[in-house]
Amino acid sequence: GENVEQHPSTLSVQEGDSAVIKCTYSDSASNYFPWYKQELGKRPQLIIDIRSNVGEKKDQRIAVTLNKTAKHFSLHITETQPEDSAVYFCAAGTGGGADGLTFGKGTHLIIQP
Amino acid sequence: ETGVTQTPRHLVMGMTNKKSLKCEQHLGHNAMYWYKQSAKKPLELMFVYSLEERVENNSVPSRFSPECPNSSHLFLHLHTLQPEDSALYLCASSQDRGNAGELFFGEGSRLTVL
Repeated sequence: GENVEQHPSTLSVQEGDSAVIKCTYSDSASNYFPWYKQELGKRPQLIIDIRSNVGEKKDQRIAVTLNKTAKHFSLHITETQPEDSAVYFCAAGTGGGADGLTFGKGTHLIIQP
Repeated sequence: ETGVTQTPRHLVMGMTNKKSLKCEQHLGHNAMYWYKQSAKKPLELMFVYSLEERVENNSVPSRFSPECPNSSHLFLHLHTLQPEDSALYLCASSQDRGNAGELFFGEGSRLTVL
């Protein structure tokens, strides 16, 4: 089965700096890579996703890059703001539906004022 | 508002109790899921329902019993639980099971087993 490793488990950055969270996956058949954000006491919400036919996707201050050869993908957040503080989860899976997704353990991002 | 609501938000129960968690989605989705979220662990998929039929049970102990009476409602019946079952239980829905797409989560039911 798929195995997703996520690093770091905790990341503290100064407000305004960039943050990068990295994930690796094991199953070369995986072709869908979403990122979810979960604020304290809130539900996880999809913030960006990428499919294996592209190498990079950007949405305002967040971007995701995918290296299929190396089987890793990363989340980049630029100009971090206090509201970016949350736990971020990566996931990898096939087009077989949400039950084909394997999640990472999460990264607790702390934005220092 | 994501359209997925869960009740209760918090539940404390003894190991001999029987309780149920409820999930309701107002998004017209065809697939619904139960996940278990424990500290420092990945989200664990427990059950998958597609068009009210259970399609997957990820080796979940029988003390957890799901029920999906229609495409908008999902229950998780709990009985004879163990302290290690204490966790946040998240319900989610998606448009269909067959295509990779966004999961819409509820806010979860925080379960404490004494």
